[in-house]
Amino acid sequence: AQKVTQAQTEISVVEKEDVTLDCVYETRDTTYYLFWYKQPPSGELVFLIRRNSFDEQNEISGRYSWNFQKSTSSFNFTITASQVVDSAVYFCARITAVSFGAGTTVTVRA
Amino acid sequence: DSGVTQTPKHLITATGQRVTLRCSPRSGDLSVYWYQQSLDQGLQFLIQYYNGEERAKGNILERFSAQQFPDLHSELNLSSLELGDSALYFCASSPQDREAFFGQGTRLTVV
Repeated sequence: AQKVTQAQTEISVVEKEDVTLDCVYETRDTTYYLFWYKQPPSGELVFLIRRNSFDEQNEISGRYSWNFQKSTSSFNFTITASQVVDSAVYFCARITAVSFGAGTTVTVRA
Repeated sequence: DSGVTQTPKHLITATGQRVTLRCSPRSGDLSVYWYQQSLDQGLQFLIQYYNGEERAKGNILERFSAQQFPDLHSELNLSSLELGDSALYFCASSPQDREAFFGQGTRLTVV
């Protein structure tokens, strides 16, 4: 199976600190999509960002940014100036071959 | 609101029983995915349908089956339920191999 690995199981930070979540994926495909999802304590899964495999430009969207490096098969996600509301489980995922990482629990303390 | 509707939100049933979970995808989305999320297994992909046809299969047990109807809604049937089937079941939809938008999930408790 083409796995998605999130090595960090839990991260705890104090409000206003930056948080970087690591994601490494396996692939045999030349074209694929990578995603980050957030699952707050309420349980729903919320789509955050998408990156396709042929665009390695890294972007910033508000307090979110991501670093996609095809050479190392990594798709890291950063929350800048974290807030308590950012506390959630964050999942990295890829399509084709739908795979989710195990998730990283982020706790932001006031 | 993601636009994906799952019913019911909660379901409590006994071991050995059969249940059906329903999913209405976002308008226009042809792909429907089913996932199971349990505490010890994380988010597990079960099955994907695209425009009525099975497209990909994950770790779906033989006791489980799914289908997608001509109006694109989907149902996940779980039979001979066991205690270990207790989990949150998510449905997601997407246009085609793009980001998937998730429903709020059905929490199944088998007692």
